[in-house]
Amino acid sequence: DIQLTQSPSFLSASVGDRVTITCRASQGINSYLSWYQQKPGKAPKLLIYAASTLQSGVPSRFSGSGSGTEFTLTISSLQPEDFATYYCQQLNSYPITFGQGTRLEIK
Amino acid sequence: EVQLVESGGGLVQPGGSLRLSCVVSGFTFSSYSMNWARQAPGKGLEWISYISSSSRTIYYADSVKGRFTISRDNVKNSLYLQMSSLRDEDTAVYYCARDSSPGTVLETFDIWGLGTKVTVSS
Repeated sequence: DIQLTQSPSFLSASVGDRVTITCRASQGINSYLSWYQQKPGKAPKLLIYAASTLQSGVPSRFSGSGSGTEFTLTISSLQPEDFATYYCQQLNSYPITFGQGTRLEIK
Repeated sequence: EVQLVESGGGLVQPGGSLRLSCVVSGFTFSSYSMNWARQAPGKGLEWISYISSSSRTIYYADSVKGRFTISRDNVKNSLYLQMSSLRDEDTAVYYCARDSSPGTVLETFDIWGLGTKVTVSS
């Protein structure tokens, strides 16, 4: 199985900050990577797919990059509604796996 | 409006069975592959099963293989998860999710339901 390791697991930041979350795969997954945002008690919401393609309706302050084994999700200027938990997901092969999550909190 | 609505969750004893349903609307269900994923209390997301649009291809996570069965009814616009031999560790919120562009680099889970809670406890 392909393991995804996100770093950091916890991030404290302020409104307006630029933040980057990293997702490392245990083996190459080309660009078969998605990023999701989840708020407490809510379903995950797709942000980025194919490593760098922004889902329709998602603000442009979100961006994704990478291929192979290392990927990043960047939020260029944090807004109050961005404080949530973020997950990466690989769809290169079954079983599909998720990273352990990065919890982004207000400083 | 595209919508996925899960139901069928509840409290069940260890060793028991439960059938989850996911009714979809707002898109052509028969054209899409679908997935089930779950999230244990305070934990991360776990994919558990995939079914292709025609039901010809099915995958399971090792954690549920042999105990859970995924199926779909394209006439009723419904996805199902039959769960048996339930264990304490199956306690979670279960989500259905639409699979967009399966087998391509664009594949992703683009639409998720709100989830249904399953509690396995004596």
